[in-house]
Amino acid sequence: DTAVSQTPKYLVTQMGNDKSIKCEQNLGHDTMYWYKQDSKKFLKIMFSYNNKELIINETVPNRFSPKSPDKAHLNLHINSLELGDSAVYFCASSQEASPGELFFGEGSRLTVL
Amino acid sequence: TQLLEQSPQFLSIQEGENLTVYCNSSSVFSSLQWYRQEPGEGPVLLVTVVTGGEVKKLKRLTFQFGDARKDSSLHITAAQPGDTGLYLCAGEVRNDYKLSFGAGTTVTVRA
Repeated sequence: DTAVSQTPKYLVTQMGNDKSIKCEQNLGHDTMYWYKQDSKKFLKIMFSYNNKELIINETVPNRFSPKSPDKAHLNLHINSLELGDSAVYFCASSQEASPGELFFGEGSRLTVL
Repeated sequence: TQLLEQSPQFLSIQEGENLTVYCNSSSVFSSLQWYRQEPGEGPVLLVTVVTGGEVKKLKRLTFQFGDARKDSSLHITAAQPGDTGLYLCAGEVRNDYKLSFGAGTTVTVRA
């Protein structure tokens, strides 16, 4: 029974397309995050939501739009994909807004051709 | 500029040897965490340290938080192939609600 699950695990698409990645957590946590891990393995926070409310929005292009329909779900929609968007995107959750332990999903590898 | 600098970037050692990974910053952290990430998976928490000078042990892994809460180290004694992975340190600056990660140290333990 996976605690933080994201789909799809792999996504290959053409430049200019729009794609979405979904994330669900069954831990009952209040806060969810999206992180981007580049080819050098550097993990950078993109967004975080606490009880469906956006609390962190790092310097991310407007083409990236997170949506949290409820506190167990946080989806990421990306418009007009660019080559530089290729990365592994990780969803994570924590019990509270002051992070404590992060529980990560397995990641979604996005390749933009 | 990254908030946390990890060194070395890569480390390859023989089974049975010891190793130390360092995590440094000019910022003070309210807490610092160490994660291990294996290929194709997300990072998994190993330990959280919160008090300056704190030392925590997890079997053959020893974690230390600097007195000024700006740096940390991870020491592995008698490394085993199962210790292979990407080790990431992550720190929370007080009240900023986000965990910032270092670039990681890739550890390879050869049998």
